[in-house]
Amino acid sequence: SQTIHQWPATLVQPVGSPLSLECTVEGTSNPNLYWYRQAAGRGLQLLFYSVGIGQISSEVPQNLSASRPQDRQFILSSKKLLLSDSGFYLCAWRQGAGNIQYFGAGTRLSVL
Amino acid sequence: AQSVTQLGSHVSVSEGALVLLRCNYSSSVPPYLFWYVQYPNQGLQLLLKYTTGATLVKGINGFEAEFKKSETSFHLTKPSAHMSDAAEYFCAVSDFSGGNQFYFGTGTSLTVIP
Repeated sequence: SQTIHQWPATLVQPVGSPLSLECTVEGTSNPNLYWYRQAAGRGLQLLFYSVGIGQISSEVPQNLSASRPQDRQFILSSKKLLLSDSGFYLCAWRQGAGNIQYFGAGTRLSVL
Repeated sequence: AQSVTQLGSHVSVSEGALVLLRCNYSSSVPPYLFWYVQYPNQGLQLLLKYTTGATLVKGINGFEAEFKKSETSFHLTKPSAHMSDAAEYFCAVSDFSGGNQFYFGTGTSLTVIP
């Protein structure tokens, strides 16, 4: 069966520090991968999605970037965090020919 | 373009009462529709989905939703609320566009009053 892992679960970082959140999927190949941000009291905002290795689409201009160095690995990064980057970050995957997105447990990021 | 509107960001019901969470969508093609539930500090879990066929779909935990094309709606219901149903609920729409994207509503927070 397929599983998705996200880490860390929680993270507290100072303003201006770098960020690296990692997401990996097991049990499937060539998945579509997604990064979402959920700000307090708000819905899900799609940040990036990827349909293959090295292929990244950005939905909104921001202080973040994403990379997909391997088929089942999706990384969310920042060189310098801003206060506004605080939120709950969710990784998700979807099989290209399927129609359900499966979510990781999320990372709670607090930028202080 | 597709979009989802969830009416009511907060809904409160008494334990044992009917749960009704509203979702309307906009789509230029036949949509795939989903409801997800999110418990505090957790990821999203699929409740149910509509793709084709029967318009009344049943999901986990006693929830069901009905696809009404004429009303462009996909409301979520449960006959009798339990305390454990308290969570955030998201409606989403998708199609088979190139990015295989989902479009989520802003969510409805359900409170169950004992």
